[in-house]
Amino acid sequence: QKEVEQNSGPLSVPEGAIASLNCTYSDRGSQSFFWYRQYSGKSPELIMSIYSNGDKEDGRFTAQLNKASQYVSLLIRDSQPSDSATYLCAVILDNYGQNFVFGPGTRLSVLP
Amino acid sequence: DTAVSQTPKYLVTQMGNDKSIKCEQNLGHDTMYWYKQDSKKFLKIMFSYNNKELIINETVPNRFSPKSPDKAHLNLHINSLELGDSAVYFCASSQDRGYPETQYFGPGTRLLVL
Repeated sequence: QKEVEQNSGPLSVPEGAIASLNCTYSDRGSQSFFWYRQYSGKSPELIMSIYSNGDKEDGRFTAQLNKASQYVSLLIRDSQPSDSATYLCAVILDNYGQNFVFGPGTRLSVLP
Repeated sequence: DTAVSQTPKYLVTQMGNDKSIKCEQNLGHDTMYWYKQDSKKFLKIMFSYNNKELIINETVPNRFSPKSPDKAHLNLHINSLELGDSAVYFCASSQDRGYPETQYFGPGTRLLVL
């Protein structure tokens, strides 16, 4: 069974620290990788997408992909209380770009 | 202007009833999805349509039937509702299946089956 795994947390970090979120996936054929943020009671919103090995930075967020080790991570620098949410890792398994498989999410709590 | 809208936002019903959830997007996207998020917050894809054509049909009971009258609408009809159907159902759309990073979620419909 094709799976995406994440630590459920909660992960607690102090304000201003770096939060590190990890995700592993089982299917080596996975093509595309995404991080979504979901606030309690709200819908998921896309933070980052990454398709190639290496790092991709966008503001305070950096996504890292290592296809050989089948993991993708998200770093949040200078964490803010407003970053407190559940972070969902998602992987697309097929070449059609539609079959999203989501991980269970990691709950992040940034303490002021 | 709401990009992806769903109605109703809340739905409380009895076991055995039939209900529908409607979804509309005004983004001009070609691809639409239905997801189910259970009480443990696990988000799972149910269906995906591309230009009104069913592309993904994950293993869901055939009590669930999607319908796409046009590419801006994707409705979900559920027959003979069961307790285990209680969840949040999210509709989403993306520009095209080649642009998954454009996926945008609706606000969700919270279904409670009593």
